[in-house]
Amino acid sequence: QKEVEQDPGPLSVPEGAIVSLNCTYSNSAFQYFMWYRQYSRKGPELLMYTYSSGNKEDGRFTAQVDKSSKYISLFIRDSQPSDSATYLCAMSDFTGGGNKLTFGTGTQLKVEL
Amino acid sequence: GAGVSQSPSNKVTEKGKDVELRCDPISGHTALYWYRQRLGQGLEFLIYFQGNSAPDKSGLPSDRFSAERTGESVSTLTIQRTQQEDSAVYLCASSLVRNEKLFFGSGTQLSVL
Repeated sequence: QKEVEQDPGPLSVPEGAIVSLNCTYSNSAFQYFMWYRQYSRKGPELLMYTYSSGNKEDGRFTAQVDKSSKYISLFIRDSQPSDSATYLCAMSDFTGGGNKLTFGTGTQLKVEL
Repeated sequence: GAGVSQSPSNKVTEKGKDVELRCDPISGHTALYWYRQRLGQGLEFLIYFQGNSAPDKSGLPSDRFSAERTGESVSTLTIQRTQQEDSAVYLCASSLVRNEKLFFGSGTQLSVL
């Protein structure tokens, strides 16, 4: 079993829809949670990060962490065609002294006009 | 530089040849990471540098893989005697200090024929 599970999609939604992306994890030592967006042939770009359970909002994006359920979510409101990309969740337990991240496989999102 | 720079962007090689991949981190970033992204899979951690030292090499898949960093700046990932299963995108990331947000380059697409 992978430490981080993420539905690979693809997920196709109409423009303006609310998108929900999710990951589950098994390592209770994870304490730092991130969402990255990756466009084709580009490196991942950090969207959201949080250290604690609860919600964090940034514009159209809301990150939600539930440590008791080992479940994290990213919500995208008023989705746009430019949001079409692969979304990767990532987590860290800070072992080894660095910020070594464990990634999900990514969910491919397409927002259609 | 403005971002993490990786070269070459694409590399095609024959099985058994050695390859070198280069990463120029963001100026002043002390931590540097290498990840591998196989098609349809999440990013796999390879190695972490703090300054010129590598306290965590746990992700290097075999002794054919090695990496170094000099001048607390440029890093080179070397793969000796390449195999077809080495085909992947190799991504480099840097952060200002350890345990901080990672910024990724666009990666090197390695194809082993």
